[in-house]
Amino acid sequence: EAQVTQNPRYLITVTGKKLTVTCSQNMNHEYMSWYRQDPGLGLRQIYYSMNVEVTDKGDVPEGYKVSRKEKRNFPLILESPSPNQTSLYFCASSPKATGVGNGYTFGSGTRLTVV
Amino acid sequence: ILNVEQSPQSLHVQEGDSTNFTCSFPSSNFYALHWYRWETAKSPEALFVMTLNGDEKKKGRISATLNTKEGYSYLYIKGSQPEDSATYLCAFPQASGTYKYIFGTGTRLKVLA
Repeated sequence: EAQVTQNPRYLITVTGKKLTVTCSQNMNHEYMSWYRQDPGLGLRQIYYSMNVEVTDKGDVPEGYKVSRKEKRNFPLILESPSPNQTSLYFCASSPKATGVGNGYTFGSGTRLTVV
Repeated sequence: ILNVEQSPQSLHVQEGDSTNFTCSFPSSNFYALHWYRWETAKSPEALFVMTLNGDEKKKGRISATLNTKEGYSYLYIKGSQPEDSATYLCAFPQASGTYKYIFGTGTRLKVLA
């Protein structure tokens, strides 16, 4: 089944403890992206990747890192999480960066709480 | 940062009613517009990707139109059913040639049985 897989689904962590949220897609998509969703603010783009080894900042990149060493994987790294990074996170992928065709396929989301 | 606005923010309709909502976006440098349906406790699901002025797309009882010159897209639902209850999002790239998509805050639709 074609899908974007995110792990974990839920995570509670403490301030300052490094964590990684994994994202993997099995559709050979070039474009991958991370979003966070906060009440009243909608989905905001954190980072995106046009292809392997090509990444760029979205609108809210502070406090996050990403890497794209393989086409299928695009992990989101929080080096020193803070409470303001408590949010619902989505990974998404698309065949091309343009998103045309079928649009983006989203992962099932990761609800992160930083205490 | 460009702005994408959706209206109304929320909507309650009776089962069987038809309804529509709006996505407004900057008309300059148009590249594409996406519509997504987002059910509670699930992830957003792509409905339509629209690229041409005058485009009209349809999927079952849901259809969408696009006016790139005036910067808006309408989403229509004919004969709403309770299973149509969801938040409907539109998304727009910040500038042609870049791939930073911005999302509207959505229209939350509740269809009452």
